[in-house]
Amino acid sequence: AQSVTQPDIHITVSEGASLELRCNYSYGATPYLFWYVQSPGQGLQLLLKYFSGDTLVQGIKGFEAEFKRSQSSFNLRKPSVHWSDAAEYFCAVGAINTGTASKLTFGTGTRLQVTL
Amino acid sequence: NAGVTQTPKFRVLKTGQSMTLLCAQDMNHEYMYWYRQDPGMGLRLIHYSVGEGTTAKGEVPDGYNVSRLKKQNFLLGLESAAPSQTSVYFCASKPGTSGYNEQFFGPGTRLTVL
Repeated sequence: AQSVTQPDIHITVSEGASLELRCNYSYGATPYLFWYVQSPGQGLQLLLKYFSGDTLVQGIKGFEAEFKRSQSSFNLRKPSVHWSDAAEYFCAVGAINTGTASKLTFGTGTRLQVTL
Repeated sequence: NAGVTQTPKFRVLKTGQSMTLLCAQDMNHEYMYWYRQDPGMGLRLIHYSVGEGTTAKGEVPDGYNVSRLKKQNFLLGLESAAPSQTSVYFCASKPGTSGYNEQFFGPGTRLTVL
């Protein structure tokens, strides 16, 4: 069974500082990997996704993520955080086998607080 | 395009009452999902559908029923609400069969069961 671990429940960074949110996954083959962001009171919005190819993936809002197969990780990064980035971030893993209806397994989320 | 919409946005129920949450999407997506979000637990899949007329159980289906009579709509029903069903409910849809296609989420329904 697939699983996702986001070890950091809550992170606080200063505006302008760099950010790295950790995500570790467990899956028997090459997974689909996603990062979503949820602003307060809102639904989830896709930041970026990965399946194959270049292991460094660029997303929206200046975010990027790097897939490291040897570490089973898909960490999210941003060079300079803006106050508007304060939100909750979810990593998700999806199965390749379409027989599973492309179900996603989500991590428990990391809440990002940005101080001015 | 409205994307994925959910009705209602908020609801308060008493224990034992029933209700139906409506999810609608105008993107002609085949797959639709219902999740619940609880603090510290991320999103957990309740039920899903791979096409009109089909439904299947997810990770936490007990106490919920679903129907997908029309491709664009996916209904989530609570027959006898319990306080443990207090949660935020999200609907999502996805095009096609490729797992690489992302799920598109609605804004959520906040349900409180007293």
